[in-house]
Amino acid sequence: QVQLVQSGAEVKKPGASVKVSCKASGNTFTSYSMHWVRQAPGQGLEWMGIINPSGGSTSYAQKFQGRVTMTRDTSTSTVYMDLSSLRSEDTAVYYCARGHSSSWIFDYWGQGTLVTVSS
Amino acid sequence: QSALTQPASVSGSPGQSITISCTGTSSDVGSYNVVSWYQQYPGKAPKLMIYEVSKRPSGVSNRFSGSKSGNTASLTISGLQAEDEADYYCCSYAGSSSVVFGGGTKLTVL
Repeated sequence: QVQLVQSGAEVKKPGASVKVSCKASGNTFTSYSMHWVRQAPGQGLEWMGIINPSGGSTSYAQKFQGRVTMTRDTSTSTVYMDLSSLRSEDTAVYYCARGHSSSWIFDYWGQGTLVTVSS
Repeated sequence: QSALTQPASVSGSPGQSITISCTGTSSDVGSYNVVSWYQQYPGKAPKLMIYEVSKRPSGVSNRFSGSKSGNTASLTISGLQAEDEADYYCCSYAGSSSVVFGGGTKLTVL
């Protein structure tokens, strides 16, 4: 069974960076793309970007270009999302989600990581 | 890209059918059959309910169905049950290796 387990909640000051991890179970880590989606309190879902764990290629939503970096470690089946220059509007729950065979559909989700940005 | 447009809320009584619309543009919903729907309970991660416009993942009730016409996709829930009360989000591939979500619809079962 596929499981995505994310790192714990973070509290950061404005201007800082945060790195959230997502560890995938099973032995198919390099076969599926991984996405990051965030949800601000009381708001909707917002797609941030995609990483191909096989080759490490990425594509980011225009809104986050220059501030987000997605990486992976195939030895531990873990993907990472690094968001820099944090501001209060970045306070949200961040989810990793596995891409379905067509890549642009999210069939398994992590439990979410709350990132709070506050001075 | 701009978010897809969904009604903020819909409601229905147990046993009834409801439909949630998701309106995009010719650059997303209208161009690709990669529309998916997600159910989300408060404090929980979203769950895939419909993919590629009308396909259901294993384990999802056949009371859930999806369709698309032009730039608008729709999710229909028949035989409404109390457990269906949740937030629902549509999502579409938008080209150039990107996706866009709808703003979400809160379903209330009366």
